Amino acid sequence: DAGVTQSPTHLIKTRGQQVTLRCSPKSGHDTVSWYQQALGQGPQFIFQYYEEEERQRGNFPDRFSGHQFPNYSSELNVNALLLGDSALYLCASSLGTTSLEAFFGQGTRLTVV
Amino acid sequence: GQNIDQPTEMTATEGAIVQINCTYQTSGFNGLFWYQQHAGEAPTFLSYNVLDGLEEKGRFSSFLSRSKGYSYLLLKELQMKDSASYLCAVRDNTNAGKSTFGDGTTLTVKP
Repeated sequence: DAGVTQSPTHLIKTRGQQVTLRCSPKSGHDTVSWYQQALGQGPQFIFQYYEEEERQRGNFPDRFSGHQFPNYSSELNVNALLLGDSALYLCASSLGTTSLEAFFGQGTRLTVV
Repeated sequence: GQNIDQPTEMTATEGAIVQINCTYQTSGFNGLFWYQQHAGEAPTFLSYNVLDGLEEKGRFSSFLSRSKGYSYLLLKELQMKDSASYLCAVRDNTNAGKSTFGDGTTLTVKP
Protein backbone atom coordinates (compact mmCIF):
# COMPACT_ATOMS: atom_id res chain seq x y z
CA ASP A 1 0.00 0.00 0.00
CA ALA A 2 1.69 3.16 -1.18
CA GLY A 3 1.72 6.04 1.21
CA VAL A 4 1.60 9.68 0.21
CA THR A 5 3.96 10.34 -2.68
CA GLN A 6 5.22 13.71 -3.81
CA SER A 7 7.19 14.75 -6.85
CA PRO A 8 9.73 16.01 -7.50
CA THR A 9 11.79 15.54 -4.33
CA HIS A 10 14.03 18.50 -5.04
CA LEU A 11 13.67 21.48 -7.35
CA ILE A 12 15.66 24.62 -8.10
CA LYS A 13 13.92 27.56 -9.73
CA THR A 14 14.78 31.16 -10.55
CA ARG A 15 12.96 34.16 -9.13
CA GLY A 16 9.90 35.03 -11.20
CA GLN A 17 9.43 31.53 -12.54
CA GLN A 18 6.45 29.29 -11.95
CA VAL A 19 6.49 25.85 -10.34
CA THR A 20 4.10 22.91 -10.08
CA LEU A 21 4.39 20.34 -7.32
CA ARG A 22 2.48 17.07 -7.30
CA CYS A 23 0.97 14.82 -4.65
CA SER A 24 -0.68 11.43 -4.75
CA PRO A 25 -2.61 10.67 -1.57
CA LYS A 26 -2.48 7.45 0.38
CA SER A 27 -4.68 4.75 -1.10
CA GLY A 28 -8.28 5.28 0.01
CA HIS A 29 -7.80 8.90 0.98
CA ASP A 30 -9.75 11.64 -0.76
CA THR A 31 -8.55 14.84 0.93
CA VAL A 32 -5.25 16.59 0.35
CA SER A 33 -3.78 19.43 2.40
CA TRP A 34 -0.68 21.40 1.44
CA TYR A 35 1.79 22.91 3.89
CA GLN A 36 4.89 25.07 3.55
CA GLN A 37 7.72 24.42 5.99
CA ALA A 38 10.55 26.95 6.12
CA LEU A 39 13.83 25.88 7.67
CA GLY A 40 13.59 25.73 11.45
CA GLN A 41 9.86 26.35 11.51
CA GLY A 42 6.74 24.26 11.71
CA PRO A 43 4.56 23.56 8.68
CA GLN A 44 2.22 26.39 7.68
CA PHE A 45 -1.17 25.46 6.20
CA ILE A 46 -1.62 26.62 2.59
CA PHE A 47 -4.91 25.06 1.54
CA GLN A 48 -6.95 21.87 1.43
CA TYR A 49 -8.71 20.12 -1.43
CA TYR A 50 -11.70 17.81 -1.18
CA GLU A 51 -14.03 16.75 -3.97
CA GLU A 52 -11.89 18.72 -6.40
CA GLU A 53 -12.58 22.00 -4.63
CA GLU A 54 -10.51 24.21 -2.36
CA ARG A 55 -12.19 23.89 1.03
CA GLN A 56 -9.96 25.86 3.37
CA ARG A 57 -7.15 28.33 2.80
CA GLY A 58 -4.40 29.63 5.02
CA ASN A 59 -2.77 33.04 4.91
CA PHE A 60 -1.01 32.70 1.56
CA PRO A 61 -1.21 35.05 -1.46
CA ASP A 62 -3.04 34.24 -4.65
CA ARG A 63 0.28 33.30 -6.25
CA PHE A 64 -0.33 29.97 -4.55
CA SER A 65 -3.01 27.96 -6.28
CA GLY A 66 -3.94 24.33 -6.53
CA HIS A 67 -6.00 21.69 -8.13
CA GLN A 68 -7.38 18.28 -7.30
CA PHE A 69 -8.07 15.67 -9.93
CA PRO A 70 -10.83 13.02 -10.02
CA ASN A 71 -8.33 10.41 -8.81
CA TYR A 72 -7.74 12.60 -5.71
CA SER A 73 -4.20 13.53 -6.64
CA SER A 74 -3.36 17.19 -6.31
CA GLU A 75 -1.08 19.90 -7.64
CA LEU A 76 0.29 22.99 -5.97
CA ASN A 77 1.22 25.86 -8.29
CA VAL A 78 3.26 28.86 -7.29
CA ASN A 79 3.61 31.78 -9.70
CA ALA A 80 6.13 34.63 -9.73
CA LEU A 81 8.48 32.83 -7.35
CA LEU A 82 10.22 34.82 -4.64
CA LEU A 83 13.36 33.91 -2.73
CA GLY A 84 11.17 33.57 0.36
CA ASP A 85 9.23 30.75 -1.27
CA SER A 86 12.22 28.48 -0.71
CA ALA A 87 10.95 25.80 1.66
CA LEU A 88 9.89 22.20 2.07
CA TYR A 89 6.40 21.74 0.65
CA LEU A 90 4.47 18.98 2.36
CA CYS A 91 1.33 17.24 1.24
CA ALA A 92 -0.89 15.49 3.78
CA SER A 93 -3.73 13.17 2.89
CA SER A 94 -6.71 12.07 4.93
CA LEU A 95 -10.09 10.45 4.51
CA GLY A 96 -12.64 13.23 4.49
CA THR A 97 -12.27 16.65 6.05
CA THR A 98 -13.05 15.40 9.56
CA SER A 99 -10.52 12.58 9.75
CA LEU A 100 -8.41 12.49 12.89
CA GLU A 101 -5.20 11.46 11.24
CA ALA A 102 -3.34 12.90 8.29
CA PHE A 103 -0.40 11.19 6.61
CA PHE A 104 2.41 13.33 5.26
CA GLY A 105 4.46 12.76 2.15
CA GLN A 106 8.22 13.18 2.12
CA GLY A 107 7.91 16.67 0.73
CA THR A 108 9.38 18.64 -2.14
CA ARG A 109 12.40 20.80 -1.31
CA LEU A 110 12.06 23.97 -3.42
CA THR A 111 15.00 26.33 -3.71
CA VAL A 112 14.49 29.69 -5.41
CA VAL A 113 17.67 31.42 -6.56
CA GLY B 1 -6.09 32.68 14.98
CA GLN B 2 -3.83 30.17 16.67
CA ASN B 3 -0.60 30.75 18.58
CA ILE B 4 1.50 27.79 19.66
CA ASP B 5 4.64 27.88 21.79
CA GLN B 6 7.12 25.12 22.51
CA PRO B 7 10.78 25.16 23.52
CA THR B 8 13.24 25.39 20.65
CA GLU B 9 15.72 22.80 21.86
CA MET B 10 16.09 20.13 24.53
CA THR B 11 18.82 17.66 25.38
CA ALA B 12 18.43 14.40 27.29
CA THR B 13 20.39 11.25 28.02
CA GLU B 14 19.73 7.82 26.56
CA GLY B 15 17.45 5.81 28.84
CA ALA B 16 16.07 8.89 30.59
CA ILE B 17 12.61 10.51 30.48
CA VAL B 18 11.95 13.86 28.81
CA GLN B 19 8.87 16.08 28.79
CA ILE B 20 8.25 18.49 25.92
CA ASN B 21 5.72 21.21 26.72
CA CYS B 22 3.37 23.02 24.39
CA THR B 23 1.10 25.96 25.16
CA TYR B 24 -1.50 27.28 22.79
CA GLN B 25 -3.96 30.11 22.37
CA THR B 26 -6.67 29.38 19.85
CA SER B 27 -9.86 30.78 18.47
CA GLY B 28 -11.11 27.25 17.89
CA PHE B 29 -10.02 23.84 19.10
CA ASN B 30 -10.69 20.36 17.80
CA GLY B 31 -7.76 18.43 19.14
CA LEU B 32 -4.03 18.61 19.67
CA PHE B 33 -1.55 16.48 17.79
CA TRP B 34 2.07 15.60 18.29
CA TYR B 35 4.28 14.71 15.34
CA GLN B 36 7.87 13.52 15.12
CA GLN B 37 10.03 14.80 12.30
CA HIS B 38 13.54 13.55 11.61
CA ALA B 39 15.80 15.88 9.67
CA GLY B 40 14.91 15.89 5.98
CA GLU B 41 11.90 13.66 6.47
CA ALA B 42 8.13 14.08 6.67
CA PRO B 43 6.36 14.49 10.01
CA THR B 44 4.93 11.25 11.39
CA PHE B 45 1.91 11.08 13.66
CA LEU B 46 2.59 10.29 17.33
CA SER B 47 -0.53 11.11 19.31
CA TYR B 48 -3.83 12.93 19.46
CA ASN B 49 -5.70 14.45 22.43
CA VAL B 50 -9.13 16.02 22.27
CA LEU B 51 -10.24 15.50 25.89
CA ASP B 52 -8.33 16.42 29.03
CA GLY B 53 -6.02 13.79 30.41
CA LEU B 54 -3.24 11.45 29.51
CA GLU B 55 -3.03 9.25 26.42
CA GLU B 56 -0.38 6.53 26.55
CA LYS B 57 1.16 4.78 23.57
CA GLY B 58 4.10 2.61 24.43
CA ARG B 59 7.10 4.77 25.33
CA PHE B 60 5.23 7.94 24.35
CA SER B 61 2.45 9.66 26.33
CA SER B 62 0.65 12.92 25.70
CA PHE B 63 -1.30 15.06 28.13
CA LEU B 64 -3.85 17.80 27.51
CA SER B 65 -5.44 20.48 29.68
CA ARG B 66 -7.88 22.49 27.59
CA SER B 67 -8.62 25.00 30.36
CA LYS B 68 -4.91 25.83 30.62
CA GLY B 69 -4.18 25.64 26.90
CA TYR B 70 -1.39 23.22 27.71
CA SER B 71 -0.09 19.90 26.50
CA TYR B 72 3.02 17.86 26.96
CA LEU B 73 4.64 14.92 25.23
CA LEU B 74 6.43 12.49 27.52
CA LEU B 75 9.10 10.22 26.10
CA LYS B 76 10.33 7.37 28.29
CA GLU B 77 13.37 5.11 27.99
CA LEU B 78 14.93 7.45 25.48
CA GLN B 79 16.78 5.94 22.54
CA MET B 80 19.26 7.58 20.21
CA LYS B 81 16.75 7.28 17.38
CA ASP B 82 14.40 9.59 19.31
CA SER B 83 16.65 12.51 18.35
CA ALA B 84 14.30 14.52 16.15
CA SER B 85 12.05 17.56 16.03
CA TYR B 86 8.73 17.21 17.87
CA LEU B 87 5.89 19.29 16.52
CA CYS B 88 2.80 20.30 18.47
CA ALA B 89 -0.22 21.08 16.28
CA VAL B 90 -3.72 22.29 17.06
CA ARG B 91 -6.57 21.32 14.79
CA ASP B 92 -9.11 23.89 13.76
CA ASN B 93 -12.63 23.24 15.00
CA THR B 94 -14.17 23.69 11.60
CA ASN B 95 -11.90 21.57 9.46
CA ALA B 96 -9.92 18.56 10.51
CA GLY B 97 -7.35 18.96 7.81
CA LYS B 98 -6.31 22.42 8.86
CA SER B 99 -3.80 22.29 11.65
CA THR B 100 -1.65 25.06 13.07
CA PHE B 101 1.82 23.85 13.97
CA GLY B 102 4.33 25.12 16.47
CA ASP B 103 7.91 25.57 15.28
CA GLY B 104 8.96 22.29 16.86
CA THR B 105 11.29 21.25 19.64
CA THR B 106 14.58 19.75 18.54
CA LEU B 107 15.43 16.93 20.92
CA THR B 108 18.98 15.64 21.07
CA VAL B 109 19.53 12.33 22.86
CA LYS B 110 23.09 11.81 24.08
CA PRO B 111 24.72 8.52 25.09
